[in-house]
Amino acid sequence: DQQVKQNSPSLSVQEGRISILNCDYTNSMFDYFLWYKKYPAEGPTFLISISSIKDKNEDGRFTVFLNKSAKHLSLHIVPSQPGDSAVYFCAASARGTYKYIFGTGTRLKVLA
Amino acid sequence: NAGVMQNPRHLVRRRGQEARLRCSPMKGHSHVYWYRQLPEEGLKFMVYLQKENIIDESGMPKERFSAEFPKEGPSILRIQQVVRGDSAAYFCASSPDELAFFGQGTRLTVV
Repeated sequence: DQQVKQNSPSLSVQEGRISILNCDYTNSMFDYFLWYKKYPAEGPTFLISISSIKDKNEDGRFTVFLNKSAKHLSLHIVPSQPGDSAVYFCAASARGTYKYIFGTGTRLKVLA
Repeated sequence: NAGVMQNPRHLVRRRGQEARLRCSPMKGHSHVYWYRQLPEEGLKFMVYLQKENIIDESGMPKERFSAEFPKEGPSILRIQQVVRGDSAAYFCASSPDELAFFGQGTRLTVV
């Protein structure tokens, strides 16, 4: 049972354009969501998070949107840069559980 | 404040041997998690520990796998009698609260 889904395994975007990565979840108990970026042979690096009391969180070029009714979140990167090329994982947890459920990842390739 | 430290980075074991993976959490972090990433898959939760306690091991295989986080020293993920299917990247994360920081991972190869 995949509670967190990233249905696009890969995405290619031109440098300077917007990258939109999507994530869906099924467990209504999830109330804290995170995005991690992962380069090959390295550990995941925290990017941005959002709690369920908000519907948007912005940090520089990165914005995460949360639609609780649709159980959907998305990560927007604008403008996209070649250095953003990596695998992006969304993760979700229910408050107090400290247990993160990860999606399968989306490989973003930003073309120069 | 050093990040989450995992060692070794690479570990090769023959089938039937034991693998020990170590994780030193960030200073002040009392929560430790282990995740496994199989080739072409996402990160799968294995176990969540606090000092000397296993809080949630719902993702751990029932046999051959064990984890500990002693009062002193690093957290250890132990895999006994390894099989080829155990080959994966194993990531440890630590957190003081809800935000987890990951180590670089240990890539286990079973030959």
